[in-house]
Amino acid sequence: AQSVTQLGSHVSVSEGALVLLRCNYSSSVPPYLFWYVQYPNQGLQLLLKYTTGATLVKGINGFEAEFKKSETSFHLTKPSAHMSDAAEYFCASRKGGSTLGRLYFGRGTQLTVWP
Amino acid sequence: GAGVSQSPRYKVTKRGQDVALRCDPISGHVSLYWYRQALGQGPEFLTYFNYEAQQDKSGLPNDRFSAERPEGSISTLTIQRTEQRDSAMYRCASSSLTGQETQYFGPGTRLLVL
Repeated sequence: AQSVTQLGSHVSVSEGALVLLRCNYSSSVPPYLFWYVQYPNQGLQLLLKYTTGATLVKGINGFEAEFKKSETSFHLTKPSAHMSDAAEYFCASRKGGSTLGRLYFGRGTQLTVWP
Repeated sequence: GAGVSQSPRYKVTKRGQDVALRCDPISGHVSLYWYRQALGQGPEFLTYFNYEAQQDKSGLPNDRFSAERPEGSISTLTIQRTEQRDSAMYRCASSSLTGQETQYFGPGTRLLVL
């Protein structure tokens, strides 16, 4: 069975500080991994994804994440937070190498950015 | 181009009533997914289609929930005899290939059952 755990339901940082949102997965096979962002009253928007190949993936808005198989992690980082980054972030997994498309989501992390 | 659209955006209904939620995927997307998101939780899978064929409905919580996609485009999620526990955000997503590609999400339908 697959599952995703996001550590910390709320993260607060100052503008310009490092953003680190944690995600760990559980899967019997290497999964595909995703980070989505949700702004108020909007749908989920894909930030970045890992399927195969390079384990450090870069996404939109300066975010990046690294797939670490040994740690079963896919943490999301951004070197310098901006006020516009305040949103809810979801980590998700999908069974790798499969045509089955369902996503398994974590519970989400609300990011607050202080001026 | 146009993204995934859902209607209505908000639905308030009384317990026991039936509701139908609509999803219009991105044009040409063959896969369509339904998720439900309770407050403070991540989205949970309900069901998905490739073209008009329902591939997996294992996430539907009970037989009051059903979904269809008769022409392989627009999909309707129907909840019969609604209960207060059905209150949630219902999200639809579509992708361009059969499960291999990114899922693009619509804005969701917020359902409140009184």
